[in-house]
Amino acid sequence: AQSVAQPEDQVNVAEGNPLTVKCTYSVSGNPYLFWYVQYPNRGLQFLLKYITGDNLVKGSYGFEAEFNKSQTSFHLKKPSALVSDSALYFCAVTGFQKLVFGTGTRLLVSP
Amino acid sequence: EAGVAQSPRYKIIEKRQSVAFWCNPISGHATLYWYQQILGQGPKLLIQFQNNGVVDDSQLPKDRFSAERLKGVDSTLKIQPAKLEDSAVYLCASSGYIDNEQFFGPGTRLTVL
Repeated sequence: AQSVAQPEDQVNVAEGNPLTVKCTYSVSGNPYLFWYVQYPNRGLQFLLKYITGDNLVKGSYGFEAEFNKSQTSFHLKKPSALVSDSALYFCAVTGFQKLVFGTGTRLLVSP
Repeated sequence: EAGVAQSPRYKIIEKRQSVAFWCNPISGHATLYWYQQILGQGPKLLIQFQNNGVVDDSQLPKDRFSAERLKGVDSTLKIQPAKLEDSAVYLCASSGYIDNEQFFGPGTRLTVL
């Protein structure tokens, strides 16, 4: 069965500093990996995905994620955080079955 | 392009009552998903349609939940009768292909009293 772990319930970072939101996965076969962001009272918004190819994936709003097959990780990163990045972030994986989401990590960026 | 539409946005009912949610996916998207997101958790897939056929409903509590996608476009999700533990946000999503990027609607927040 496929699964996703987001080990941090919350990540705090100061504006302008780099941020990392961690995600590890377990799936049979090659993984399709996604990051979504959720703002209050809004649906999930797609940030980026890894299907195949370059291990560093660039997405929306300056976010990027690095696929590491040996560590089964897909951490979300941004070089310089903005207060407006504060939201709930979900990692998700599918191995050509249903998409399975992690429990989410709340990112708080302080001014 | 227009996004995924859902209605209502909020619903409050008493336990044992019935409720229905509606979703209109992005035009041309063949795959439609219903998710349940309980507070503090990630979305959990309830049912997945490919056109008007069910691909996966393994996590749908079929004794009380039902869903249909007549004509392969919009969809309704029904709960009858509702329980307290059904309080959650119900998200609808669509994609052009199975397992490709999913586009989510704003969700329906259900409160069961």
